[in-house]
Amino acid sequence: LAKTTQPISMDSYEGQEVNITCSHNNIATNDYITWYQQFPSQGPRFIIQGYKTKVTNEVASLFIPADRKSSTLSLPRVSLSDTAVYYCLVGDTAIWGSQGNLIFGKGTKLSVKP
Amino acid sequence: KAGVTQTPRYLIKTRGQQVTLSCSPISGHRSVSWYQQTPGQGLQFLFEYFSETQRNKGNFPGRFSGRQFSNSRSEMNVSTLELGDSALYLCASSGVKKLEQYFGPGTRLTVT
Repeated sequence: LAKTTQPISMDSYEGQEVNITCSHNNIATNDYITWYQQFPSQGPRFIIQGYKTKVTNEVASLFIPADRKSSTLSLPRVSLSDTAVYYCLVGDTAIWGSQGNLIFGKGTKLSVKP
Repeated sequence: KAGVTQTPRYLIKTRGQQVTLSCSPISGHRSVSWYQQTPGQGLQFLFEYFSETQRNKGNFPGRFSGRQFSNSRSEMNVSTLELGDSALYLCASSGVKKLEQYFGPGTRLTVT
């Protein structure tokens, strides 16, 4: 899996938009970008996945520039409950029988304040 | 669909004992992965099972083992427990999209 770099921590206030950027300079042609969210003492939760341009779902948006060497997770109007660790992962989507495992880095600890 | 379930949720064991943790994946998911999470090391991959075969393995000693049954349910076993094995053990299942994994609530293991 391609190595990723993201900020260790970020602070925000309720109602603001939060953008967390992840660098993945060595991303391969077949790699997808995936983001997970983890609350304390819980398992990570899949948030969003994309390959290029922009992907949006009910939780977040993912922006991927043309060179795909970075990506930005955008959380609109955060609330206190968005306080969590956010992980960026890059790799092949699954093919039955494929090798490789998910490597979670340290993630970005987002703290949302009132 | 029911989510990934793990049992037990909490466990306290003594050094030297062994422990077995259980994971039931989402129906239809054939891949099950196990992770260990500690405050110091973060989330670390233990192993992945697919169709009853270990497909990938992380960098953990042989005391850590697992298996998968024909119904995709999985168990992991840790023998000769050490204090450092105290952690949150997470199980995740995935379908066709490997990067889209669904995690269970975890088993909190405390070794005393």
